[in-house]
This record gives sequence, structure tokens and C-alpha cells, in this order.
Amino acid sequence: DSGVTQTPKHLITATGQRVTLRCSPRSGDLSVYWYQQSLDQGLQFLIQYYNGEERAKGNILERFSAQQFPDLHSELNLSSLELGDSALYFCASSVAINTGELFFGEGSRLTVL
Amino acid sequence: DQQVKQNSPSLSVQEGRISILNCDYTNSMFDYFLWYKKYPAEGPTFLISISSIKDKNEDGRFTVFLNKSAKHLSLHIVPSQPGDSAVYFCAASGISGTYKYIFGTGTRLKVLA
Repeated sequence: DSGVTQTPKHLITATGQRVTLRCSPRSGDLSVYWYQQSLDQGLQFLIQYYNGEERAKGNILERFSAQQFPDLHSELNLSSLELGDSALYFCASSVAINTGELFFGEGSRLTVL
Repeated sequence: DQQVKQNSPSLSVQEGRISILNCDYTNSMFDYFLWYKKYPAEGPTFLISISSIKDKNEDGRFTVFLNKSAKHLSLHIVPSQPGDSAVYFCAASGISGTYKYIFGTGTRLKVLA
């Protein structure tokens, strides 16, 4: 158990819909990262927050947005969903910004029909 | 632009032999590197890391080698065990500006009993 909690574990929805994925980082970790893994591909970096502030952005679509709340949990919002958005979405946390290991949650599997 | 590359999608090794997984990177600002292991339906778990001030780091059966001039790192597993069968990702980060961890596409290791 990494200490990172992601909900929901599985989500099935239709094209055009909007979903929210939630992540609770490990206790004490200030940095949260979101990654997307599609069809056994690599982990694509989406966005990073540190102590409530956005610190880095990757290949995140404009239809996607995220935030980190004062209690440090984070939410990833995916809207106007398309079939290609079907993927595993991982959240990871770390104590520092860019050093030390990342601790990953078990992921949220999104299926868009 | 794939800044971290794992050019071997898969690797098969006999139990007891050495497994060598390779990773190349292009961004010279990366100065911290990690290896992760991922089993199906689980999040990636941290294996070992190395800072750019070192060229080798060892932890039990796992050793990571870093060749900065070649922008290449490798993970050696000795001896390989069937339980090591998983997908291995390398990741890179930079303290001096790039706050995000960039992952390679992964190498699927199969250790044959």
C-alpha cells in the first residue's frame, strides 16, 4: 500500500460526458502528479501541483483540468469525453517537488463508450 | 518529443541470469533518475534511483548505472527471479528547472523458470 488513494477505481461513461477523478496523497506529501496511461503505453505526464499551486504542465488537453485543494487532495476533471480518453489515470505524490521517489496510487480506469 | 526512451519493448531472461534494462534520455538538464516496476492492475512501485553525481547505485539484486556523457542508464537485476516479471519504467527529473518526472514507455520483462 503506497498510501496514495484514488477514487473511483473504475468508471464507465459515455462520450460527451464529464467525470472527476480524485486523489488523496500520502500523509505529509505536498506534491501531486497526474499521469495518463493508454493501452499499455508509457506514463504520460499531465500536470503537477505543489502545496496548492500548479507547478508544471505536460500534454494535458484543454478539456482536462485539475486542482489541488487546501487539504492537499487533488481532483482531475475530464470533460467532453471522447473514446480516446479511455485510459488508466494515475496519481502520484512526493514530499518534494522534483527529487525523491514518487508514490503512485492504484489508478482510475476510465472507459468511454 | 520523447525525452526518455526505452527502446526495447520486451525482454525475456532465464531465471537466475542477469536482466539488463536500458534507458536513454535527451535532456541534459535531467539530474535525477528512477526505475519503477509495474504489475498488471497495480500502480507503479519505486525500485531504485540515482542522482547525477553518482554513476552507480546498488540495492540488493538491483543496480542502476548512469553514463552521463552517453545520456544512458541501465538497470541490472541479478539474479533474475520469476517474480521480477513486470513492466519496468525509467523516469527522469531535473532539480534545476524541470519540475516534472518524465517516464519512458516501459520494457516488459519476462523471467522464465
